[in-house]
Amino acid sequence: AQKVTQAQTEISVVEKEDVTLDCVYETRDTTYYLFWYKQPPSGELVFLIRRNSFDEQNEISGRYSWNFQKSTSSFNFTITASQVVDSAVYFCAPTNMDSNYQLIWGAGTKLIIKP
Amino acid sequence: GAGVSQSPRYKVAKRGQDVALRCDPISGHVSLFWYQQALGQGPEFLTYFQNEAQLDKSGLPSDRFFAERPEGSVSTLKIQRTQQEDSAVYLCASSLVEQPQHFGDGTRLSIL
Repeated sequence: AQKVTQAQTEISVVEKEDVTLDCVYETRDTTYYLFWYKQPPSGELVFLIRRNSFDEQNEISGRYSWNFQKSTSSFNFTITASQVVDSAVYFCAPTNMDSNYQLIWGAGTKLIIKP
Repeated sequence: GAGVSQSPRYKVAKRGQDVALRCDPISGHVSLFWYQQALGQGPEFLTYFQNEAQLDKSGLPSDRFFAERPEGSVSTLKIQRTQQEDSAVYLCASSLVEQPQHFGDGTRLSIL
């Protein structure tokens, strides 16, 4: 069975600070995907990234970066120079590659960016 | 449209009534998913369609929940004899096969 832990229930920072959201997952699968989604107050889940378990290269996209450490089963997400519009709930979700629609969702981390 | 569209945005019903929630996926997306999201929680998988075929309905909580996608495009989630514990946000997502899911804004269902 797969499980995801986002230990930070809520994080509050002042605009322009950097912030890292932690994600630790458990899986017995040898191959899997890892996703991050953002859910702003409007409610729509917005896809941010999908990584597969074969690729441990870190990724940067603008102010966003992801650090995948397979040895510690972590897939952390960092926002650099945070903005108020980054305020949302962020979900990390692993899934099995064979049934990749079955995302395993935790409770997410609520990120509050104060002006 | 450009994104997944769900209607209604909000629905209030009395306990015992039947409700129907609609999802218009992104054009061309073969896969369609329904999720239930309780307040402060992540989404819980309900069911999955590939075209008109319902390939997985393991997440439907009871036989009061029924989903269909008769022509492989628009989908309807129906809840019969609603109960208070059905109150939640119902999310629909669509995707190309084995590609990331794109979500709608959801329908917030309140059962009085």
